[in-house]
Amino acid sequence: DGGITQSPKYLFRKEGQNVTLSCEQNLNHDAMYWYRQDPGQGLRLIYYSQIVNDFQKGDIAEGYSVSREKKESFPLTVTSAQKNPTAFYLCASSNPGLTGSEQYFGPGTRLTVT
Amino acid sequence: DQQVKQNSPSLSVQEGRISILNCDYTNSMFDYFLWYKKYPAEGPTFLISISSIKDKNEDGRFTVFLNKSAKHLSLHIVPSQPGDSAVYFCAASANYGQNFVFGPGTRLSVLP
Repeated sequence: DGGITQSPKYLFRKEGQNVTLSCEQNLNHDAMYWYRQDPGQGLRLIYYSQIVNDFQKGDIAEGYSVSREKKESFPLTVTSAQKNPTAFYLCASSNPGLTGSEQYFGPGTRLTVT
Repeated sequence: DQQVKQNSPSLSVQEGRISILNCDYTNSMFDYFLWYKKYPAEGPTFLISISSIKDKNEDGRFTVFLNKSAKHLSLHIVPSQPGDSAVYFCAASANYGQNFVFGPGTRLSVLP
């Protein structure tokens, strides 16, 4: 049963604390992505990784960090430097190719920072 | 600068009728487009794709049309069902699916 898992579903943190969101995929996809969704807005790209041990900043990378030590895993750390961390975070994966490829999404993690 | 626009934040349609969701883009380098459906507090679900070499793609009740000269694509759902009520996002890529830019979404309500 292939797919993408994100845990936990809901996460609460105090301001000033770093927090790490988990993302695991067993689809054997090369590329993985982190997006953020705020109310009434589309998905904004935070970081992406096309291959193990390599990742690139997206449009809103400030205050976030990632690692890609294994093909299956792409954890996202929300640091205390992120000014508005409360949001819905989505992880996705894909196998980009010459003919195009859709991204498959996990169920998301809602992070609330107070 | 919003490269992918969905100018209708919401749309209401009667069950059984056609739903037409629109998407406009500004980057002429976009060559691959996707539509996603999203329920609250869940991840988006892929619906249908179209590449720039085509102007139409069908999958069951869903058809996507691409007008490259107008930089416009649309998603048609026929017939609309109450279970189609969700937020629909269009997404565009300039490198055949490596990175996508998402529109802000349109909330579709299908009324029984």
